[in-house]
Amino acid sequence: NAGVTQTPKFQVLKTGQSMTLQCAQDMNHNSMYWYRQDPGMGLRLIYYSASEGTTDKGEVPNGYNVSRLNKREFSLRLESAAPSQTSVYFCASSERRKDTGELFFGEGSRLTVL
Amino acid sequence: GQSLEQPSEVTAVEGAIVQINCTYQTSGFYGLSWYQQHDGGAPTFLSYNALDGLEETGRFSSFLSRSDSYGYLLLQELQMKDSASYFCAVSDNYGQNFVFGPGTRLSVLP
Repeated sequence: NAGVTQTPKFQVLKTGQSMTLQCAQDMNHNSMYWYRQDPGMGLRLIYYSASEGTTDKGEVPNGYNVSRLNKREFSLRLESAAPSQTSVYFCASSERRKDTGELFFGEGSRLTVL
Repeated sequence: GQSLEQPSEVTAVEGAIVQINCTYQTSGFYGLSWYQQHDGGAPTFLSYNALDGLEETGRFSSFLSRSDSYGYLLLQELQMKDSASYFCAVSDNYGQNFVFGPGTRLSVLP
């Protein structure tokens, strides 16, 4: 059972380049999330998707777009990368209806923008 | 808006008990979760409180007081492997938007 899988694990971009972070979960969860974590800080919510076909902005959505492709997959796109987007990105999923308060995280994608 | 506060660092010795506090101010509240994160790793779920009181899971316990907007994580019989960052997280009224605190770095000394 893979859980939450993110690709790529590492990426270096130049300012202005675009890229998409992929996330897939195999736990049949309804809700999926994208967080970013900067050194020494907590996780900040970028976007989330409560169910297939819906997406909502989180705390720090500027500069990002998301697509909930199907129930399994939730991608994060940077259209024009900036150095301020250098961070570790975590995808997560949860089964909201069970009210366990539990998020399942992927291993993270480490992005550097030069 | 939502904001959470935690101590930035806590140090304790092996075998001791440590408490990590979390206070929150949120526009909506559904529950309080706790996560552990080792350096370079992903956060992993520890505990969850939706109702007031204490939840116990092995060496870890978590407490919630909704009236005080306050909770804590209690770690007993500390081990070296417990050295990590610990985050509290609040889920909103619909239980679908999780906001994390800044994290507490726990160092366990021999």
